[in-house]
Amino acid sequence: AQTIHQWPVAEIKAVGSPLSLGCTIKGKSSPNLYWYWQATGGTLQQLFYSITVGQVESVVQLNLSASRPKDDQFILSTEKLLLSHSGFYLCAWSLRDWGFAEQFFGPGTRLTVL
Amino acid sequence: QQQVRQSPQSLTVWEGETTILNCSYEDSTFDYFPWYRQFPGKSPALLIAISLVSNKKEDGRFTIFFNKREKKLSLHITDSQPGDSATYFCAARQQGTGSKLSFGKGAKLTVSP
Repeated sequence: AQTIHQWPVAEIKAVGSPLSLGCTIKGKSSPNLYWYWQATGGTLQQLFYSITVGQVESVVQLNLSASRPKDDQFILSTEKLLLSHSGFYLCAWSLRDWGFAEQFFGPGTRLTVL
Repeated sequence: QQQVRQSPQSLTVWEGETTILNCSYEDSTFDYFPWYRQFPGKSPALLIAISLVSNKKEDGRFTIFFNKREKKLSLHITDSQPGDSATYFCAARQQGTGSKLSFGKGAKLTVSP
């Protein structure tokens, strides 16, 4: 069975400090991977998606970047955090096909920027 | 602009009643519409989904009704239970974009015993 793991579970960071969040998928080969951001009480905003190693597409610019160094790993990062980066970051995966591919979410990382 | 609209934003129903959550969209290129449920502090989980080829999709107490002409969907939850209390998101996928989803703002449901 596939499992999705995100790290860290929660993070408290200062404005201007760097950030790195991670996501790994086990049990699925070559999945599509996604990063989402959710403000407290808000909707889900897709940030990035990747269909293969080394390839990442940006959906929304929020002064964040993403990378996919391995088939099963997706990284979200920034060199300088803003207060507006606070929220719930979710990694998701789907099968790599162009059908009606459901997306499955990881447990998320809760980020507080002070 | 908000590509997927949901109404109401919040509602309270009594246990045993039928809950109706509405969703609408403008973009004619949307072809797949999943609904996700999110409990407080948890990540969203896929609940049920429908595509353009169907007018109705049923899974237990959950049913999606789809009016393609009016670009409207509704999620019906029959015999609502306190455990159904959560936020429900309607989403839409644009044709030819793999799995890029646009989400509505969500509807917070409270089921009172």
